[in-house]
Amino acid sequence: GAGVSQSPSNKVTEKGKDVELRCDPISGHTALYWYRQSLGQGLEFLIYFQGNSAPDKSGLPSDRFSAERTGGSVSTLTIQRTQQEDSAVYLCASSNRGFSGNTIYFGEGSWLTVV
Amino acid sequence: GESVGLHLPTLSVQEGDNSIINCAYSNSASDYFIWYKQESGKGPQFIIDIRSNMDKRQGQRVTVLLNKTVKHLSLQIAATQPGDSAVYFCAESRNQGGKLIFGQGTELSVKP
Repeated sequence: GAGVSQSPSNKVTEKGKDVELRCDPISGHTALYWYRQSLGQGLEFLIYFQGNSAPDKSGLPSDRFSAERTGGSVSTLTIQRTQQEDSAVYLCASSNRGFSGNTIYFGEGSWLTVV
Repeated sequence: GESVGLHLPTLSVQEGDNSIINCAYSNSASDYFIWYKQESGKGPQFIIDIRSNMDKRQGQRVTVLLNKTVKHLSLQIAATQPGDSAVYFCAESRNQGGKLIFGQGTELSVKP
């Protein structure tokens, strides 16, 4: 597609439930990133994919968070047993090759509210 | 820890004036810097970038200045318009897969 596409755009879930957030990167982009943004805050790095592998998972906050990428394209971020502190905007981004200097383009985000 | 930070959390300017948003970074190994604009309810939008081998880069109505001596980055917006009202983030990269580290953001408010 023309840009990074994320779904759902909004999700309200009950505490303790699992959620899946999907990201469709820009066609041909090999690098894919997940970030989290709490209300009024900056962007917190979660995980980076180059192709289907994740060389940097250093930002995942706990083992309840996981992500995968298949076919070098679509990625899914899964949050298990959601907690209220997981409420945030989850932003996906992609870039052409994943090197410093390659512009990273963001999607509009998935707004997650845990009640 | 390593971080990219912004000097001013909020900035209010008159329409037509020039705006300057500042950013400090802590890691001298950073080799690439980006400015993003984020409007309410939207994802960050790329504005302009600069590599560490440059000290100035100009776009349409925007200029980014990089001072590696004091690890300082700024974004200048000429003839600021109401549509420029948003939160502006600077980010740095150190070629760790191109991963960006973001600052907290500066909210720019343009008064008509």
